[in-house]
Amino acid sequence: KAGVTQTPRYLIKTRGQQVTLSCSPISGHRSVSWYQQTPGQGLQFLFEYFSETQRNKGNFPGRFSGRQFSNSRSEMNVSTLELGDSALYLCASSFGDRNEQFFGPGTRLTVL
Amino acid sequence: AQSVTQPDIHITVSEGASLELRCNYSYGATPYLFWYVQSPGQGLQLLLKYFSGDTLVQGIKGFEAEFKRSQSSFNLRKPSVHWSDAAEYFCAVGASGTYKYIFGTGTRLKVLA
Repeated sequence: KAGVTQTPRYLIKTRGQQVTLSCSPISGHRSVSWYQQTPGQGLQFLFEYFSETQRNKGNFPGRFSGRQFSNSRSEMNVSTLELGDSALYLCASSFGDRNEQFFGPGTRLTVL
Repeated sequence: AQSVTQPDIHITVSEGASLELRCNYSYGATPYLFWYVQSPGQGLQLLLKYFSGDTLVQGIKGFEAEFKRSQSSFNLRKPSVHWSDAAEYFCAVGASGTYKYIFGTGTRLKVLA
C-alpha cells in the first residue's frame, strides 16, 4: 500500500506570495491532519479533517487554511507569506479512531 | 494545560549500550501515547503506541515503552542501540475522537561507533 504522499517536496516563495500544498492520504484513510515543524517551535498542529469536515484547528492565523476533497485528498493554503512561515509542513492520515497517524515526507517551504 | 515534555534535547550513547528516552505528559483526558522517529529530511515514523491495557508496549526496531500513569510518563527504551538508530525521537499525546497530537520538543540521539 502506498504511503502518504505530499507535493511538492520543496518550495521556495517570496514574502507576500501565497502557496498551496497537497497531501494524498493512504488509500482508505479518511482523516488528514497537518502539522508545521520548525526548529524554534517544534511540531505544531494546524488542522484536522475527516470526511471533508474540519474537526479541529490549531492556533494559527487566518492566513493558514485548508480543505479536504471527497477522495480524502487535502490541500493547505498559506496566503501573504511571511519569513516565519518557512518550515517543514507534514501531513498525516489515519483510518479511524484508535488508529495511529501515518506521516508523509513533508513539504519544505522556504520563504525569502 | 496540555503538554509533553522531553527533558533531554540531546543524548549520546555507544553502539550496543542500552537507551532510555524520557517523556512526561500533562493531559486532561485519558491519553493516547505515541513515540515517533524522524531521520534527517524525512517524515515521522511510528515506533509504538499506547491506547489502553498492558502498560508495557512493544514497537518496531526493538523498541519498547512503559506507560506509568502515576508518574505521567511514557519512556522509550531499547536494550542495545544500533548505529542506524541515530535520529530524532518525538513523544506525542492524543485522545479519542481527535487527531490533534501534542508533540514534545524531541530528543536527538547520537550513536558512537
